[in-house]
Order: sequence, then C-alpha cells, then structure tokens
Amino acid sequence: DIQLTQSPSSLSASVGDRVRITCQASQDISKYLNWYQQKPGKAPKLLIYDTSNLARGVPSRFSGSGSGTDFSFTISSLQPEDFATYYCQQYDNFPPLTFGGGTKIEIK
Amino acid sequence: EVQLVESGGGLVLPGRSLRLSCAASGFIFGDYAMHWVRQVPGKGLEWVSGITWNSDSIGYADSVKGRFTISRDNAKNSLYLQMDSLRAEDTALYYCAKVGAWGQGTMVTVSS
Repeated sequence: DIQLTQSPSSLSASVGDRVRITCQASQDISKYLNWYQQKPGKAPKLLIYDTSNLARGVPSRFSGSGSGTDFSFTISSLQPEDFATYYCQQYDNFPPLTFGGGTKIEIK
Repeated sequence: EVQLVESGGGLVLPGRSLRLSCAASGFIFGDYAMHWVRQVPGKGLEWVSGITWNSDSIGYADSVKGRFTISRDNAKNSLYLQMDSLRAEDTALYYCAKVGAWGQGTMVTVSS
C-alpha cells in the first residue's frame, strides 16, 4: 500500500505568514493527490485536487504543486480562518485511499 | 450540489453489529467509486473501505477486514457499510466520501 508522509505534524504561524506543508508518497502517484482542510467538528473540505487545481470557491492564497512522489501545499498569506488541520490524500492506487497524518496550524 | 448524508450510527455493545447507510445526491452516483473513512475525535483520518462504481473492486483496511462489508445500490444512490463483530477500537465518526466530497459523518460508539 502507498504511504503518505506529511510534514510537519504541527506548526505555529502568524496571520500574514507564508506556510508550506509537504507530502511524500512511498511510490509514484502521478498527479493524484488532494489537499483537505478540517476544522473542529466539521468534515474535511477539499481545497486542492489533482495536485494543483483549486476547488470551487477556494481562495487563491491556497496552492499546491508537485508530481510523482513529492508534493507541497502552500498558503501564501495566512488568514485567521485558515487555522485548522490539513491533510493530503492520494487516490492513484485503489484500494486503499491513503491519508497523510495531518498538519495542525496553530496561532503563534 | 453534492450531498452525502450518513445514517445508522449509535451506541452498540462489543461484538454486536451495525449497518451504516449513505444517501447521495447532486451527482451521478453510479459513476464514482465511494468510500467510508473514519476519524476518532481529535485524531487523524483513517480509510475504512472503498468500492468502485460497479462494485468490481472492493477494498478494506486491515483493521476491519473480515468484519466489515461495503456495498452499494446505484439504483437507490446509496452506499452501505455492514459492521459486524464490533470492537471498542471501532468507535469513531464514520464519513461517507467520494474523492473531493464528504458527508457530515455518523458517530459509532462501541461500549458496554
């Protein structure tokens, strides 16, 4: 099964900061990587699909890049509503769907 | 608008069974693979099971293999998860999901 290693597991940042999260797959997953945001008590929300495509209604400060085994997710200027947990997810190889361990962004 | 609505969760004794359902709308259900994903409150996401659009390929996490059974009824736009021999460690919020869209989840608590 494909493993996803997401880092860091948590970070502290300030409003306006640029934030980057990485996700490494244990084997080539082409472009089949999504990024989700989850806030407490809520279901995950899709932000980025197929590595770099912004989901509908998602602000342009969110972006994704990468291919193969190495991927990254960036928030260009952190906003108060962005404090949440973020997950990468691969769907190249089914089954299973695989998730990264999550990155919790906290207020510095 | 894509909607996924789970039901069937609740409190159940260890060793007993529960059947979760997911009602889908807003997209062509029969075109998509569907999944169950669970989350222990405060913890990460764990994929439980998935099924292709035509039920040709089905997969389970090792933690539930042999105890859980996923199925779907494309005519009813519905996804199911039959959970047998439940254990305390199966306690979690269970989400119905397609890649990119999730329901709000149904809570399963296994406890005596």
